[in-house]
Amino acid sequence: DAKTTQPTSMDCAEGRAANLPCNHSTISGNEYVYWYRQIHSQGPQYIIHGLKNNETNEMASLIITEDRKSSTLILPHATLRDTAVYYCISRPYSGGGADGLTFGKGTHLIIQP
Amino acid sequence: GAVVSQHPSRVICKSGTSVKIECRSLDFQATTMFWYRQFPKQSLMLMATSNEGSKATYEQGVEKDKFLINHASLTLSTLTVTSAHPEDSSFYICSAGRVRQETQYFGPGTRLLVL
Repeated sequence: DAKTTQPTSMDCAEGRAANLPCNHSTISGNEYVYWYRQIHSQGPQYIIHGLKNNETNEMASLIITEDRKSSTLILPHATLRDTAVYYCISRPYSGGGADGLTFGKGTHLIIQP
Repeated sequence: GAVVSQHPSRVICKSGTSVKIECRSLDFQATTMFWYRQFPKQSLMLMATSNEGSKATYEQGVEKDKFLINHASLTLSTLTVTSAHPEDSSFYICSAGRVRQETQYFGPGTRLLVL
């Protein structure tokens, strides 16, 4: 899996958009970008994934640069419940979730009231 | 949909005893289940991958005779920590892969404390 780099921590005001960057400059053509988050003392939660097109779902938007070397996860209206560690993972598509995930240190996002 | 449960959520045991943790996919069939371990202030580390009806594949450095994994059905995998020691105290999390879907769904975790 390609290595990803994320800031250690970020703050964001409640109600504002939280933009979490991820650098994956060595990503290969068949590798997707996945985002998971882990709220304290809970199991990780899937957020979104994409290959090269921007993606949006009910939780977030994923913006991938044209060269695919970096991406940004956007939480449009952050709430206090969005405080968590956010993990950006790049890996090949494996079908049926057949491969385990390699978690880095992630970004600790703190939403301020 | 796509709910994964773990039982127990928390367990305290004496050194030398064995502890079994169950992981269930409640509303889907999981072709593959994974077990992770997370020490305080650290990230999740993959321990092993299990496929229904076959032997688990362990990551380097994980003792297969100490961490016994059974995946008897498409909805249940168990992890048994045998002869537990204080250094095995950790947060154990399972996840399940869904047929023809790329995402994994994680359980809520089991916090193990070995005294």
